[in-house]
Amino acid sequence: NAGVTQTPKFRVLKTGQSMTLLCAQDMNHEYMYWYRQDPGMGLRLIHYSVGEGTTAKGEVPDGYNVSRLKKQNFLLGLESAAPSQTSVYFCASRSGGAKNIQYFGAGTRLSVL
Amino acid sequence: AQTVTQSQPEMSVQEAETVTLSCTYDTSENNYYLFWYKQPPSRQMILVIRQEAYKQQNATENRFSVNFQKAAKSFSLKISDSQLGDTAMYFCAFMKQGAQKLVFGQGTRLTINP
Repeated sequence: NAGVTQTPKFRVLKTGQSMTLLCAQDMNHEYMYWYRQDPGMGLRLIHYSVGEGTTAKGEVPDGYNVSRLKKQNFLLGLESAAPSQTSVYFCASRSGGAKNIQYFGAGTRLSVL
Repeated sequence: AQTVTQSQPEMSVQEAETVTLSCTYDTSENNYYLFWYKQPPSRQMILVIRQEAYKQQNATENRFSVNFQKAAKSFSLKISDSQLGDTAMYFCAFMKQGAQKLVFGQGTRLTINP
């Protein structure tokens, strides 16, 4: 039972480079989320999706884009990476049921030099 | 906007002891959900326990229980008979009903010593 899988697990970028983080879930969940975690802080929501083909901005969306072309996948893109985007990125998903439980991936550690 | 505050950055107890982690939150909402997540060194965020605001009964999951005080906007986590595997960062989180965003506290680093 894979749950939520994030690739890659680690990445180092130079300022100005671009990259895409992939999140895949096998639980048939409607909702998917991208968070970032910085030292001394809890997770903050970047973007989210309430279903295939939909995306919406979260708390800290600037510098990121997302796409949800397939229900099971949610991609997070950095078009021109900046050192301020050095962080650990978490993907999460949840079903549309009343429990409102978000299930998280193992995270991607990104360093931008 | 909702905020979640965890006032204990670090805690340390001996194995088998009971420990309580504090969490307070600020909201004007009446219907919401509260969560405790555990983040071990592996970095995986794992749900520990969940509470619905409309339920007066405190949630329990084996050795984990909460003390939910709605009027005081307090949601503490009690870990009984602590084990070495409980060593982790613990995050308190809030989500209002119908919303998408989980609002997290800053976390409490808990160390269980042998």
